Amino acid sequence: AQKVTQAQTEISVVEKEDVTLDCVYETRDTTYYLFWYKQPPSGELVFLIRRNSFDEQNEISGRYSWNFQKSTSSFNFTITASQVVDSAVYFCALSEVGANAGKSTFGDGTTLTVKP
Amino acid sequence: DSGVTQTPKHLITATGQRVTLRCSPRSGDLSVYWYQQSLDQGLQFLIQYYNGEERAKGNILERFSAQQFPDLHSELNLSSLELGDSALYFCASSVDPLPTEQYFGPGTRLTVT
Repeated sequence: AQKVTQAQTEISVVEKEDVTLDCVYETRDTTYYLFWYKQPPSGELVFLIRRNSFDEQNEISGRYSWNFQKSTSSFNFTITASQVVDSAVYFCALSEVGANAGKSTFGDGTTLTVKP
Repeated sequence: DSGVTQTPKHLITATGQRVTLRCSPRSGDLSVYWYQQSLDQGLQFLIQYYNGEERAKGNILERFSAQQFPDLHSELNLSSLELGDSALYFCASSVDPLPTEQYFGPGTRLTVT
């Protein structure tokens, strides 16, 4: 069975601090997708990134960066110079490939609070 | 605005009742996904349809069913409702059958009393 663990339930930082959200996953599949989603206080879910299992290149998008390490089954998310608008719940997810490819397993989420 | 619409926004109903949640995907998207978000269970994948066909299934209860119509909108039917079914139900859409970039609707808040 697949599992996603976000050990940090809540993180609080002061604006402009860097913050890393951890995600560890378990799967028997050799091919899979990993995702990060953001859920701001308004409630909607926003897709941030998808990474497939055979692409271990790190990715940077503005203040956001993602570190995928297959050896440790981790897909961590770093926000540089955090801002109040980054306050949200962040979910990491894992998706199968194959017959049930649309099925995603989510972590419990990390609530990030950025204080001014 | 993601382009995905969901109706209704809020729904309050009693135990034992049946409700239908509706989702219209973004223009051009063929895949529709349904998710349930509750305090107890977290965010859970329910079911996916692609171009009218069921594509993937999660831990969807037998009391729940869904379908995708020829115009690609989707409905999630919840029957014999229980208090524990109270949750936020999200619909998402994507172009591909694989879970690529998904666009989420605003959700339907279901309260079962």
